[in-house]
Amino acid sequence: AQSVAQPEDQVNVAEGNPLTVKCTYSVSGNPYLFWYVQYPNRGLQFLLKYITGDNLVKGSYGFEAEFNKSQTSFHLKKPSALVSDSALYFCAVRDWEDSNYQLIWGAGTKLIIKP
Amino acid sequence: NAGVMQNPRHLVRRRGQEARLRCSPMKGHSHVYWYRQLPEEGLKFMVYLQKENIIDESGMPKERFSAEFPKEGPSILRIQQVVRGDSAAYFCASSPTRENTEAFFGQGTRLTVV
Repeated sequence: AQSVAQPEDQVNVAEGNPLTVKCTYSVSGNPYLFWYVQYPNRGLQFLLKYITGDNLVKGSYGFEAEFNKSQTSFHLKKPSALVSDSALYFCAVRDWEDSNYQLIWGAGTKLIIKP
Repeated sequence: NAGVMQNPRHLVRRRGQEARLRCSPMKGHSHVYWYRQLPEEGLKFMVYLQKENIIDESGMPKERFSAEFPKEGPSILRIQQVVRGDSAAYFCASSPTRENTEAFFGQGTRLTVV
């Protein structure tokens, strides 16, 4: 069965420090992996995705994520956090083999950047 | 090109009433996905529709919930005889292809059942 785990409900980082939001996944085939961000009372905004190719994926707002097949992880990173990065972050996975192309979502990680 | 439009943004219904949530996908997108988000939780897939067809409704409750995506007009998620447990944010996403490699989300409809 497909699943996504975001092991941290909340991550606190000081402004200017690097940040990491963790995501691990489980699929039977090859994964498509996604990160989305949700600001308060807003819909989800796409940040980045991994389909194939380079394991390091660069996305919007200076975020990047590294696909690690052996650890089945796709952690989201940013070298220097901004207060405006505070939001809810969702990791999602889709199995290439899934003919219905459903995205399976993690429960979300609340990122708090303190000035 | 307007994004995915959902309306209303906020909907209050009394127990037993019907709720109708609308989603207009991005121009050129013929694939629509509905998700439900409970407070402090992630998104749960409900249904995937293509124009005039329900492709996958495995996440929809068997009773009271229905969805459609007609040839003309928005996609509609309909909840009959709402109960307090239906209170949630309902998000619609659209994509141009079945592959769904970058779904675009609406701002959601927040349903409150009183």
